[in-house]
Amino acid sequence: LAKTTQPISMDSYEGQEVNITCSHNNIATNDYITWYQQFPSQGPRFIIQGYKTKVTNEVASLFIPADRKSSTLSLPRVSLSDTAVYYCLVGDLNDYKLSFGAGTTVTVRA
Amino acid sequence: DARVTQTPRHKVTEMGQEVTMRCQPILGHNTVFWYRQTMMQGLELLAYFRNRAPLDDSGMPKDRFSAEMPDATLATLKIQPSEPRDSAVYFCASGLVQGAYSGNTIYFGEGSWLTVV
Repeated sequence: LAKTTQPISMDSYEGQEVNITCSHNNIATNDYITWYQQFPSQGPRFIIQGYKTKVTNEVASLFIPADRKSSTLSLPRVSLSDTAVYYCLVGDLNDYKLSFGAGTTVTVRA
Repeated sequence: DARVTQTPRHKVTEMGQEVTMRCQPILGHNTVFWYRQTMMQGLELLAYFRNRAPLDDSGMPKDRFSAEMPDATLATLKIQPSEPRDSAVYFCASGLVQGAYSGNTIYFGEGSWLTVV
């Protein structure tokens, strides 16, 4: 199971772009990279998933370099409601030990 | 909108009492996870089920915790006897394994907030 490292916290202001990088040096061939968002008093929820290159959806973009040893979640033009904890999860559902790291607390200020 | 359903949402119990938390995974999902979240430990994986079989429960305290899936629509996590250190949010999550490359998208319930006094 690939271990992940991401910053503990990040601060931003409304309207800015937030980029969170996750390191996963020992990622396996069948591992996917998925980001989750968690608000207080709620369960984590899926944001975006990728395997390689770039993926974009209506809320975020995920950049994955060719070696796949890191990934960057990009949140464009954040608002106060984007304040949350963001988790990078690397692995596959076949993993018996699909474990989350500590996550990154993103605080968006007015 | 398919979702994972957990009950109870909140539970306050006295030390020594039995606590049972229930989870209904998303219909059609064949993989169920139980996680526990505290401020100190973050999200800890307790158990992993595939096709109702417990494939890994090494994250659970064996002497007091047990997890089962009586059928495909119900997963349970039981604590007996409960202790104050068990106070946490317990999340159930489900996903669909479809082969060697199944991704890692899992869907979480809203959690069961347990307080043991």
